[in-house]
Amino acid sequence: AQSVTQLDSQVPVFEEAPVELRCNYSSSVSVYLFWYVQYPNQGLQLLLKYLSGSTLVKGINGFEAEFNKSQTSFHLRKPSVHISDTAEYFCAVSEYQAGTALIFGKGTTLSVSS
Amino acid sequence: EAGVAQSPRYKIIEKRQSVAFWCNPISGHATLYWYQQILGQGPKLLIQFQNNGVVDDSQLPKDRFSAERLKGVDSTLKIQPAKLEDSAVYLCASSSFPTGSGANVLTFGAGSRLTVL
Repeated sequence: AQSVTQLDSQVPVFEEAPVELRCNYSSSVSVYLFWYVQYPNQGLQLLLKYLSGSTLVKGINGFEAEFNKSQTSFHLRKPSVHISDTAEYFCAVSEYQAGTALIFGKGTTLSVSS
Repeated sequence: EAGVAQSPRYKIIEKRQSVAFWCNPISGHATLYWYQQILGQGPKLLIQFQNNGVVDDSQLPKDRFSAERLKGVDSTLKIQPAKLEDSAVYLCASSSFPTGSGANVLTFGAGSRLTVL
């Protein structure tokens, strides 16, 4: 079985500052990894995904994440955040090629202020 | 491509009443999921369908929750009778698995927010 730990429940930052949202996972098999974003009163939107290949994955809105197999981590980064990036961010994992549902972390609230 | 449609967006009921949520997945997506998202928590899988068959319903409280996906397209999730702790957002998602790349990439609807008083 897989599990996901998001290490920070809230991350406050100032506009134009860099940010890193941390995610660690646990699994006995190979996995796919995802980051989703949820704006207030909306569903989840896919930011980026790691399926295979390059460990540095680029997503929408200037976000990127790096898969580190040895540390079982998939941290999300952005070099310069905007007010509009304020949202809830969820890390998720699913088993490789098994079609199993995503397992989500508890989420990290990113609050960007001016 | 049209997204995942859900209705109603909001529902307020009294405890012990019943409620139903509807979901229409992306056209051609074989796999459909219902997740429950309680405030301040990540989404938790309730049930997974592939076409009209159940793949995983291990976390569905079957004494009060039921779901069906007749004809392998749209789906209904029902709660009867509702409890206070059922207050949550119910998210529907779909994916093209098992066709495609082998990766299970989910597309989510906007969710149905349930308040039980």
